[in-house]
Amino acid sequence: DAGVIQSPRHEVTEMGQEVTLRCKPISGHNSLFWYRQTMMRGLELLIYFNNNVPIDDSGMPEDRFSAKMPNASFSTLKIQPSEPRDSAVYFCASSSRRALNNEQFFGPGTRLTVL
Amino acid sequence: GENVEQHPSTLSVQEGDSAVIKCTYSDSASNYFPWYKQELGKRPQLIIDIRSNVGEKKDQRIAVTLNKTAKHFSLHITETQPEDSAVYFCAASFLDNNDMRFGAGTRLTVKP
Repeated sequence: DAGVIQSPRHEVTEMGQEVTLRCKPISGHNSLFWYRQTMMRGLELLIYFNNNVPIDDSGMPEDRFSAKMPNASFSTLKIQPSEPRDSAVYFCASSSRRALNNEQFFGPGTRLTVL
Repeated sequence: GENVEQHPSTLSVQEGDSAVIKCTYSDSASNYFPWYKQELGKRPQLIIDIRSNVGEKKDQRIAVTLNKTAKHFSLHITETQPEDSAVYFCAASFLDNNDMRFGAGTRLTVKP
């Protein structure tokens, strides 16, 4: 298995533009998580899905952020409109609730820079 | 919801010394406590975990301890090496769901 796949790996955009981050979880995993990492705030959970259903989106900073999981193998995190303070590394992670533990496997991350 | 506090935020030790990172959690229902290591520019990866029915677990130079009563758990690294330098995150979750909350991280530097 290739592990969790995220695209793009780097994104540079201008303030006001729409940004879409993509994630493909590990095949067979039924939970998917979106995190944002910054120096100031550390690793923040934005939203997570179980069986494609959003369970907790309380970490989504504001209405400019939205996430979808249309099927078990794909999720998107969208920021519209983007702002400079959204600059961060965004990680997607997946796990299996059938596993003996809740180990989350992280993707390589998307480094977002909003100018 | 669960709240995880982690200390210290930075830790610098000499090679060969021990390092200890401590975390507390708020939800007594949490029963799974993993530790992740994130090297510079890389993704977080699980290095060791402990369940609430165990008080201590060891894997070579790494050990974790759990005090359920006090809601504390700690990571111990002995005989530290420069390659142990990284950011370490503790986390707490309930095994029946996948809601895992991470601590703020500890940046460990091991000086040769």
